[in-house]
Amino acid sequence: NAGVTQTPKFQVLKTGQSMTLQCAQDMNHNSMYWYRQDPGMGLRLIYYSASEGTTDKGEVPNGYNVSRLNKREFSLRLESAAPSQTSVYFCASRTPGQLGSYEQYFGPGTRLTVT
Amino acid sequence: GENVEQHPSTLSVQEGDSAVIKCTYSDSASNYFPWYKQELGKRPQLIIDIRSNVGEKKDQRIAVTLNKTAKHFSLHITETQPEDSAVYFCAASRGSQGNLIFGKGTKLSVKP
Repeated sequence: NAGVTQTPKFQVLKTGQSMTLQCAQDMNHNSMYWYRQDPGMGLRLIYYSASEGTTDKGEVPNGYNVSRLNKREFSLRLESAAPSQTSVYFCASRTPGQLGSYEQYFGPGTRLTVT
Repeated sequence: GENVEQHPSTLSVQEGDSAVIKCTYSDSASNYFPWYKQELGKRPQLIIDIRSNVGEKKDQRIAVTLNKTAKHFSLHITETQPEDSAVYFCAASRGSQGNLIFGKGTKLSVKP
């Protein structure tokens, strides 16, 4: 049981390049999330997917797109990278809630640098 | 929308002392309040959480208290150890349907 996995772990892009960050979970969770973490700013939600087939914007969606490929996979795409997108990106998934736990499980993160 | 403020931003204590981190939230409909610990270079991990139908929850050396009237909640760590050194984040959400809104974090340093 790998939990939440992310690829790549590190990436350097030039301004204007595009890339996709991959995330997968094997816990049969419905909800998945993408966050960015910047020094002194905590974790800010970029996009989320409450269930397979749905995606919604979070606090800071500009410059990003997402795809919920299936129940396991949720990808984040930067179409034209900018230096302001230099950050650590975390994917997370959450247990069903309601009668169960609300805990979010995080992936190991992707450290992205845009030059 | 929800806004979560966390204080202090840094906290330094001697090993064996207690540490307290406080958070306030703005949305009175929030009813789930987790605390995450993030060690350097690692992913955030849940250490304790509380729902609005209880005022306090303990797990060994860690406790969380909630004051719904004042809209604030706190993390208490007793008998601190060097391995407690990390960044701690509070968060709030509207239960199973809401997204987590995080505070900006507190860097705790425990000096031996």
